[in-house]
Amino acid sequence: EAGVAQSPRYKIIEKRQSVAFWCNPISGHATLYWYQQILGQGPKLLIQFQNNGVVDDSQLPKDRFSAERLKGVDSTLKIQPAKLEDSAVYLCASSLVLGASPLHFGNGTRLTVT
Amino acid sequence: GENVEQHPSTLSVQEGDSAVIKCTYSDSASNYFPWYKQELGKGPQLIIDIRSNVGEKKDQRIAVTLNKTAKHFSLHITETQPEDSAVYFCAAYATNTGNQFYFGTGTSLTVIP
Repeated sequence: EAGVAQSPRYKIIEKRQSVAFWCNPISGHATLYWYQQILGQGPKLLIQFQNNGVVDDSQLPKDRFSAERLKGVDSTLKIQPAKLEDSAVYLCASSLVLGASPLHFGNGTRLTVT
Repeated sequence: GENVEQHPSTLSVQEGDSAVIKCTYSDSASNYFPWYKQELGKGPQLIIDIRSNVGEKKDQRIAVTLNKTAKHFSLHITETQPEDSAVYFCAAYATNTGNQFYFGTGTSLTVIP
């Protein structure tokens, strides 16, 4: 089966600019997650979707981050305006069902904010 | 929320030796514990997982053990090979604290040929 697809792979922007990341999960996976991975740390959950509904966005900095999952398939994560501390790898993951189910990660987007 | 601690942060072993990585968790209701391998420039890849109703699970050279009483679980890699070199993350699925995965801080494993 095709894995989780993410684009772009790399992005360099200046602070206060905006950026968007795209994710296409594994076909048939109902649950989609966005994680932020800062260098040297484990992934931290930003938001999780079940089909096209938000399950948990309690850790998403909503003053600058937004995310949507169109038609319950693809998802986009946006940052506007970006701060220096947003420099990280943004990982998208999907799972077959919500809950204690294996996560399948994409290769991530490495964001550098200068 | 759940607190997952992982040790050691770096580990070097000779090819053919065993490697052990340990994690502890705080939420006693956590019920699923996956391990991920992350190679440079790639996303984490699931290598083995264990549920709370099982004490040990093995898949070829990789095994995971779980001690629910002590709230710790470990990854064991035997007969290590250079291609095992990567960063390994443990995770716990917490049900008391947000119904989400919490990850450890990672262990960078280097297998010396």
